[in-house]
Parts: sequence; structure tokens; C-alpha cells
Amino acid sequence: GAVVSQHPSWVICKSGTSVKIECRSLDFQATTMFWYRQFPKQSLMLMATSNEGSKATYEQGVEKDKFLINHASLTLSTLTVTSAHPEDSSFYICSANPGPSSYNEQFFGPGTRLTVL
Amino acid sequence: GQNIDQPTEMTATEGAIVQINCTYQTSGFNGLFWYQQHAGEAPTFLSYNVLDGLEEKGRFSSFLSRSKGYSYLLLKELQMKDSASYLCAVRDLGTALIFGKGTTLSVSS
Repeated sequence: GAVVSQHPSWVICKSGTSVKIECRSLDFQATTMFWYRQFPKQSLMLMATSNEGSKATYEQGVEKDKFLINHASLTLSTLTVTSAHPEDSSFYICSANPGPSSYNEQFFGPGTRLTVL
Repeated sequence: GQNIDQPTEMTATEGAIVQINCTYQTSGFNGLFWYQQHAGEAPTFLSYNVLDGLEEKGRFSSFLSRSKGYSYLLLKELQMKDSASYLCAVRDLGTALIFGKGTTLSVSS
């Protein structure tokens, strides 16, 4: 199956700093990527849909100025958590869609664990 | 609104069969997915249903009834490694997935 990578796999930062997380589709092009957040013992919550060459679409309740998304190429989307605070500590997972098909499975990256001190 | 319900926890023994149910109410419907997730890892794809009926893949089967807004994941010949969270997800009108809270399955010997 298709492979999606994320970098870094984990990061610890101080409160008030910004953290950038990369999501790459390694063997396919993805016009659309998705960013999810998962708190401990909870399910994945969609944060935003990242579209190559255009602005991301954010879910209700997600601050677009705090979670900056850039989808500059067909294989790379980045999520920047600006001025991170302890409540932003979570598991961030991206997924990508290989393209239009009747199946349209989403492939998930391995996730990035963010801890804000 | 969007709502996907599944049991929080289930337990079973090795070699047994377990059925994990999922009910959903969404704005639209464009497929239902089941994912397996081990702690601290990303979800891995198990099955996909878009038409009513049963899809079988090895020890795993998934069933869908669109009229009832209902699906189940059936796991046969349970193994210890099957201990994980099982996520039911629906794709509504777009391409993003809406996830349920997940069912934590514990398999004991």
C-alpha cells in the first residue's frame, strides 16, 4: 500500500514556542491531506483538510491562526503549531488520499507526539 | 449532526469470536471504514464497506446496513496481538473520515 511519513515522530518544546510537523506521501501524489489530533484514550478528531495550492479548510473550533497548514507540493503538507501551550500536547496524525477512485482509502502517517512543557 | 457510536471496551479470550458494533448518523454516507490502532501508533486499515452486506478478509469480516445506519466488525480466532483499539469511521459528503471514539479490545489467554 501507499506510504505516508511524518517528521518528527515526537517533539518536546517549551510553552510559547512554535513546532512544525511534516507529512509526506512517499510513493504517490496527494492533492488532499488531512490532519487529525488524538488526545489520550480518545478517538481521532479531524482538524483540517489540506489542499495543494489552496488554503486549508478547518473544522469548527480549530483556530486557523494557531494551527498553520501549508500544502506547498503534491507530496508535502506541514502543520505548524504556533505559540504552543501544554493543552496542545497531543498525538497529531496526518493522512493522505492517493487520488480519485471508487475506493479512496486514506493512508495514515505514523503520527507525531507533541509534548509542550 | 454527526454521531458515531461504538462500545468503549470489550474483552474476549484467545480463539474466540468477537463482534464490535457501530451505529452512525451522518449528513451523508460515502463509505464506512474499520481501522485497528495499537497504543501510540497510527491506525491501520482493516476493511471498507459502501454497499450493504458482508465483506470478508481472512479472520476479519465487516458488515454494513445503510438503512439501519449500522455496521459490525467480526474478529474470528482471536489472538493476543488483536488486543488494540478498533475505530469505526464514516466518510460523509467529502473525503475526510469521521471517527467514532473507538472500542478497546482486550484478549486474554
